[in-house]
Amino acid sequence: AQSVTQLDSQVPVFEEAPVELRCNYSSSVSVYLFWYVQYPNQGLQLLLKYLSGSTLVKGINGFEAEFNKSQTSFHLRKPSVHISDTAEYFCAVSVWASGTYKYIFGTGTRLKVLA
Amino acid sequence: NAGVTQTPKFQVLKTGQSMTLQCAQDMNHEYMSWYRQDPGMGLRLIHYSVGAGITDQGEVPNGYNVSRSTTEDFPLRLLSAAPSQTSVYFCASSYGKRSYEQYFGPGTRLTVT
Repeated sequence: AQSVTQLDSQVPVFEEAPVELRCNYSSSVSVYLFWYVQYPNQGLQLLLKYLSGSTLVKGINGFEAEFNKSQTSFHLRKPSVHISDTAEYFCAVSVWASGTYKYIFGTGTRLKVLA
Repeated sequence: NAGVTQTPKFQVLKTGQSMTLQCAQDMNHEYMSWYRQDPGMGLRLIHYSVGAGITDQGEVPNGYNVSRSTTEDFPLRLLSAAPSQTSVYFCASSYGKRSYEQYFGPGTRLTVT
């Protein structure tokens, strides 16, 4: 069965410091990978996605993620965070199963940027 | 485009009451789904639809009904509300079977007392 694990439920980091949010998945078939961001009291919006091709993908707001097939990971990084990056971040996979794509979300990582 | 819209934004129900959460999208997406978000549990799929007239159960379907009579609308019905259904509900849509990314509505915060 497919699953997504976000290893950290909360990550505090000082402003202008780098950050990495970790995501591991398990699947026996090919997957598409996504990171979503949820600002307080809002819905989720797409940050970046990996479908195929280059394993390093760049998203909005200076975020990037690297797909590592051997380690089944898709960690999210930003070299210098801002206060406005405070939000919850969700990793997700889309996998073909039973005639449709199934979406599986991780439990989220709450990023708190400190002044 | 308005994208994905949800109404109401907030709702308080008493145990045993029923209600319908509305969801609409104007992007002609085939795939629509309903999630609930609870602290520490991420998003859990309630029901989904791959097109008008076709619905299926997700991970946590009990206590909820859906129907899909048009491409645009995908309402979620709570049959007899229970305190365990207190949650934030999100509707999402995506392109057909090539489900690359989902577009989310702003959510409905439901409290059942």
